[in-house]
Amino acid sequence: DAGVIQSPRHEVTEMGQEVTLRCKPISGHNSLFWYRQTMMRGLELLIYFNNNVPIDDSGMPEDRFSAKMPNASFSTLKIQPSEPRDSAVYFCASSSGGHREAFFGQGTRLTVV
Amino acid sequence: SQKIEQNSEALNIQEGKTATLTCNYTNYSPAYLQWYRQDPGRGPVFLLLIRENEKEKRKERLKVTFDTTLKQSLFHITASQPADSATYLCAPPDNAGNMLTFGGGTRLMVKP
Repeated sequence: DAGVIQSPRHEVTEMGQEVTLRCKPISGHNSLFWYRQTMMRGLELLIYFNNNVPIDDSGMPEDRFSAKMPNASFSTLKIQPSEPRDSAVYFCASSSGGHREAFFGQGTRLTVV
Repeated sequence: SQKIEQNSEALNIQEGKTATLTCNYTNYSPAYLQWYRQDPGRGPVFLLLIRENEKEKRKERLKVTFDTTLKQSLFHITASQPADSATYLCAPPDNAGNMLTFGGGTRLMVKP
């Protein structure tokens, strides 16, 4: 397996624009996580899916953020409208659940100007 | 609310020495705890998992301890090498045991 695949690797957008980040988890994994990492706040959990169903989205900062998982092999994180304070590295991770280790993608570095 | 604390200051050690990193948690009792390594520009990579009924876990030059009384986990790298330089993150689950929550990480620098 190629691991968790995220796209794009880098995204630069203007304030107010819609941004969509994409993630393909490892085949067979039933848990998917979206994290955001900044120097100030570290690695923050945004949302957790289990078997394609959102279980906990309490980490989603505002209504401008939304995440979907239409099937077991694809998830998106959307920010609309984007703001400069959304600039961060966004990671997607997947695991086979329980106490299993999480496998992270390479991340998407988002810059909102 | 649950809180995870790692030393935010970088740890600088000489090659060959043992590095010891600390992870303290408060306001809950996780059933297990994971440690990850993160290199610049990359996602975290899993290293070790230790359960609450395990006092110690080893993997090659790595050793993790879990003291549920002190609410602390220690991460040791013996015979450290410059290639061990990275940020190390501890990650217990949340209260429901479902999602990994991460400490702020400690940056380790091993000098030759």
